[in-house]
Amino acid sequence: GAVVSQHPSRVICKSGTSVKIECRSLDFQATTMFWYRQFPKKSLMLMATSNEGSKATYEQGVEKDKFLINHASLTLSTLTVTSAHPEDSSFYICSAPPGGDAHNEQFFGPGTRLTVL
Amino acid sequence: GQNIDQPTEMTATEGAIVQINCTYQTSGFNGLFWYQQHAGEAPTFLSYNVLDGLEEKGRFSSFLSRSKGYSYLLLKELQMKDSASYLCAVVDSNYQLIWGAGTKLIIKP
Repeated sequence: GAVVSQHPSRVICKSGTSVKIECRSLDFQATTMFWYRQFPKKSLMLMATSNEGSKATYEQGVEKDKFLINHASLTLSTLTVTSAHPEDSSFYICSAPPGGDAHNEQFFGPGTRLTVL
Repeated sequence: GQNIDQPTEMTATEGAIVQINCTYQTSGFNGLFWYQQHAGEAPTFLSYNVLDGLEEKGRFSSFLSRSKGYSYLLLKELQMKDSASYLCAVVDSNYQLIWGAGTKLIIKP
C-alpha cells in the first residue's frame, strides 16, 4: 500500500516556541492531505484539509493563524504550531488518500507526539 | 447533527469471536471505513463498505446496512495482537470523513 511518512515522531518544546511537522507521501502524489489531532482515549479530530497549490481549509474552531499549513508540493504538507502552549500537547496525525478524495482509503502517517512544557 | 456511535470498550477471549457495532446518522452516505489503531500509533485501514452486505477479509469481516445506518466489524480467532482501538468512519454527502470515538478492544488469554 501507499506510504506516508511524518517527521518528527516526537517533539518536546518550551511554551511559546513554534514547531513544524512534516507529512510526506513517499510513493504517490497527494493533492490533498488531512491533518488530525488526537487526545488520549479520544477519536481523531480533523483540523484542516491541506490542498496543494491553494490555501488550507480549516475546521470550525481551529485557529488558522496558530496552526499554519503549507502544501508546498504534491508530496509534502507541513503543519506549524505557532507559539505552542501546554494545551497544544497532543498526537498529530496526517493522512492522504491516493485518489485525492476522502472517500478513498486514507493512508496515515505514523503521527507526531507533541509535548509542550 | 452528524453522529457515529460505537461502544467505548469491549473485552473478549483469545481464540473467540467478537462483533463491534457502529451506528451512524450523517448527512448523506458515501461509504464506511473501519480502521485499527494500536496505542500510540496511527490508524491502519481494515475495510471499506459502500454497498449493503458482508465483506470478508481473512479473520476480519465487515457488514453494512444502509437502511439501518448500521455496520459491524467481526473479528474471528482473536489473537492478543488484536488488542487495539477500532474506529468507524463514515463519508458524508460532502465527502467529509466523520469519525467515531473508537472501540477499545481488550483481549484476554
